[in-house]
Amino acid sequence: EVQLVESGGGLVQPGGSLRLSCAASGFTFSTHWMHWVRQGPGKGLVWVSRTNDDGRSTSYGDSVKGRFTISRDNAKNTLYLQMNSLRVEDTAVYYCARALSSAKSAFDSWGRGTLVTVSS
Amino acid sequence: QSALTQPPSASGSPGQSVTISCTGTSSDVGGYNSVSWYQQYPGKAPKLMIYEVTKRPSGVPDRFSGSKSGNTASLTVSGLQAEDEADYYCSSYAGSNNFVFGGGTKLTVL
Repeated sequence: EVQLVESGGGLVQPGGSLRLSCAASGFTFSTHWMHWVRQGPGKGLVWVSRTNDDGRSTSYGDSVKGRFTISRDNAKNTLYLQMNSLRVEDTAVYYCARALSSAKSAFDSWGRGTLVTVSS
Repeated sequence: QSALTQPPSASGSPGQSVTISCTGTSSDVGGYNSVSWYQQYPGKAPKLMIYEVTKRPSGVPDRFSGSKSGNTASLTVSGLQAEDEADYYCSSYAGSNNFVFGGGTKLTVL
């Protein structure tokens, strides 16, 4: 069974940093693109970032470009999101999601999410 | 990376059909056959319902179908059931390894 478990969320002050992790199991992690998607309180889904299967290619949404860094450790089956210079508007539940091997734009498995609250 | 446009709400009675639209541009929805649809219940993670415009993952009822014309994609739910009441989001590949979601549509089963 595919499982994605996010961790690392919490309360942080504006301007602070946080690193999220997503532990993957039940599939061959190293063969899938992985994504981070966030959802602000009462708001819609927003794509945050994506990494290819070996981690050498990454991309970011405009709202986080230059502040967030996605990475992965295929030996540990873990996806990361380093978040720096956090803003109040970054407050959200952050989901990690797996992309289908055959259709990289389709996110077929999701974690339960981890809540990040940016507030003073 | 502007969000795709979805109606905030849609509704239908049990047994009826309802269609939710998702409008983008030629740089996303219109430019690629890479539109997906997700169902989300309150407090839960999203679930993939449709990918590559028309394909259904295993386990998704065939009451759910997708289509696209120009810059607008659509999700149709036929034979509405009470359990279909949820939020629905479209997403699309937007080029250069970027992706975009729609604002979401709350589907109410009357």
